[in-house]
Amino acid sequence: DTEVTQTPKHLVMGMTNKKSLKCEQHMGHRAMYWYKQKAKKPPELMFVYSYEKLSINESVPSRFSPECPNSSLLNLHLHALQPEDSALYLCASSQVDLITYNEQFFGPGTRLTVL
Amino acid sequence: DAKTTQPTSMDCAEGRAANLPCNHSTISGNEYVYWYRQIHSQGPQYIIHGLKNNETNEMASLIITEDRKSSTLILPHATLRDTAVYYCIACLRNTGKLIFGQGTTLQVKP
Repeated sequence: DTEVTQTPKHLVMGMTNKKSLKCEQHMGHRAMYWYKQKAKKPPELMFVYSYEKLSINESVPSRFSPECPNSSLLNLHLHALQPEDSALYLCASSQVDLITYNEQFFGPGTRLTVL
Repeated sequence: DAKTTQPTSMDCAEGRAANLPCNHSTISGNEYVYWYRQIHSQGPQYIIHGLKNNETNEMASLIITEDRKSSTLILPHATLRDTAVYYCIACLRNTGKLIFGQGTTLQVKP
């Protein structure tokens, strides 16, 4: 299984809602990532987890709260978002290996619309 | 991470080689060149990477100039399914941080 799955595919939420995005992989990867991609722009890194611990936070606002409950699962909890947070949210995973290149495998993304 | 510069868009005829250039004139000695692509409505996909030597895999070839200031990704026989945005990234190996630039939109035409 070389797939990263993300649910839901689409999400519409109001500014007062709380919702969560889910990402799952069964490749035994121990690094997982969240990216945000606005329309016609490149992906931007948000968070990196390594061995279930947060290792990189790219100064993301606290209304985005990541969680890595186990090595296969990554969540992104959303609260009090703004319309400008509407974007495609991409999850990726990779090995953690000092010898070979740890290519990142991306999921198809969750398209989020904030009203 | 070194800044990379790519043309905004390119066209290629189906069946011909697609040559995508990337400029990374400020690349440091231990930074690698990575290529990913993003087909419409999908997540990015890794293609190839290299440090100094030219590299080839089942998807593409990567040619890096001797001074390492630029590189070219070659898709030897482009198909319509190769239509995508191609990203060239220059960074240290395995930092976990992929900083995507604007990329090149490659349109393969019949």
